[in-house]
Amino acid sequence: DTTVKQNPRYKLARVGKPVNLICSQTMNHDTMYWYQKKPNQAPKLLLFYYDKILNREADTFEKFQSSRPNNSFCSLYIGSAGLEYSAMYLCASSRAGSAETLYFGSGTRLTVL
Amino acid sequence: GDSVIQMQGQVTLSENDFLFINCTYSTTGYPTLFWYVQYSGEGPQLLLQVTTANNKGSSRGFEATYDKGTTSFHLQKTSVQEIDSAVYYCAMRASNMGYKLTFGTGTSLLVDP
Repeated sequence: DTTVKQNPRYKLARVGKPVNLICSQTMNHDTMYWYQKKPNQAPKLLLFYYDKILNREADTFEKFQSSRPNNSFCSLYIGSAGLEYSAMYLCASSRAGSAETLYFGSGTRLTVL
Repeated sequence: GDSVIQMQGQVTLSENDFLFINCTYSTTGYPTLFWYVQYSGEGPQLLLQVTTANNKGSSRGFEATYDKGTTSFHLQKTSVQEIDSAVYYCAMRASNMGYKLTFGTGTSLLVDP
């Protein structure tokens, strides 16, 4: 089974409210990632967990949080949503290694109103 | 910093046409280059990867090579079919960037039957 599951598929949020997105994988991968995808832009890496260690990109460091309570599960948390957070959020997982394949979920489309 | 440029945003072909999508990359490390494909309603999935310059990667009738001299890599298929309609992303992982996968903006391919 090479499935990465994301819930929900669509999410509506109000400006200023928190948002929590969920991802799970059953492949026992040690690395899990969150990407943000906006129209006509490349998927942008927000952060990733290698085992229990969280690595956040410098330019999004303060905007996103994440937790990984166990190997299979990873969440993405936005403390106070703004209009600019409207995007598709893609979760992915992989084994460690520079040539390892990333397995993506189908994404959660977040709309902030 | 590292970057991947994918200029063709949208390509429309007829069945049995030849497909060629080009990307250029910039990195100070040693790159591993990937092509990911995203079908409607799904997350991106690995199509193929190329780890050595001038070597070919191939999968499902698609071929990819990269040219270290021009820092470009391309994806081609001799005869596309309607089922190949999807978004194609080039991506790069550089030896000096750890786990980070840098994507291009994607090429949306529509194949008319």
